[in-house]
Amino acid sequence: ETGVTQTPRHLVMGMTNKKSLKCEQHLGHNAMYWYKQSAKKPLELMFVYNFKEQTENNSVPSRFSPECPNSSHLFLHLHTLQPEDSALYLCASSQGAGPPGTDTQYFGPGTRLTVL
Amino acid sequence: EDKVVQSPLSLVVHEGDTVTLNCSYEVTNFRSLLWYKQEKKAPTFLFMLTSSGIEKKSGRLSSILDKKELFSILNITATQTGDSAVYLCAVEVLYQGGKLIFGQGTELSVKP
Repeated sequence: ETGVTQTPRHLVMGMTNKKSLKCEQHLGHNAMYWYKQSAKKPLELMFVYNFKEQTENNSVPSRFSPECPNSSHLFLHLHTLQPEDSALYLCASSQGAGPPGTDTQYFGPGTRLTVL
Repeated sequence: EDKVVQSPLSLVVHEGDTVTLNCSYEVTNFRSLLWYKQEKKAPTFLFMLTSSGIEKKSGRLSSILDKKELFSILNITATQTGDSAVYLCAVEVLYQGGKLIFGQGTELSVKP
């Protein structure tokens, strides 16, 4: 069983909707990440949280809003998305040692998002 | 145990030199190999490699993957001082949710 869970697994939303993606890790890690994976493209790092503090925001549009209430939970709030935001959104966690994003990251199964 | 090993760990060259960075891996359920450049912040993506023998190029940088011998190289030609950074190799593993395993990195310093 994976130590990182994501809900929902699939989401279809209109451009005016507001929805949230949830990620939970059971590995005792201190760092959590949001990635976007579009078809045939590599992972795009969106946000990094280390010890609940946001340490990276890779020029992500404000229609994506992350929230990390504690080191086990990470949310991605979605508002007025565009069709090009349709993708697989992956959450990951890692121990958090060293420079951000360089220790082994464990991924959740992802949320397949479709924006109509 | 899955692992990714990079060599050399550090390298000092002069502007205009050509460098080759190495990455070898031992993983199960390989999905892709990625190269990143890191300059004091989270890594920035350079290349993703999934097929053997197909060179990826971006300006002075190029990379190739050998899935039989389980390694990849990153070449930088005509190096510039702006190329100074840590270059990270990571292997994406399919394992339920997936796993991204980073190598230790190669610290490249380009002197004027």
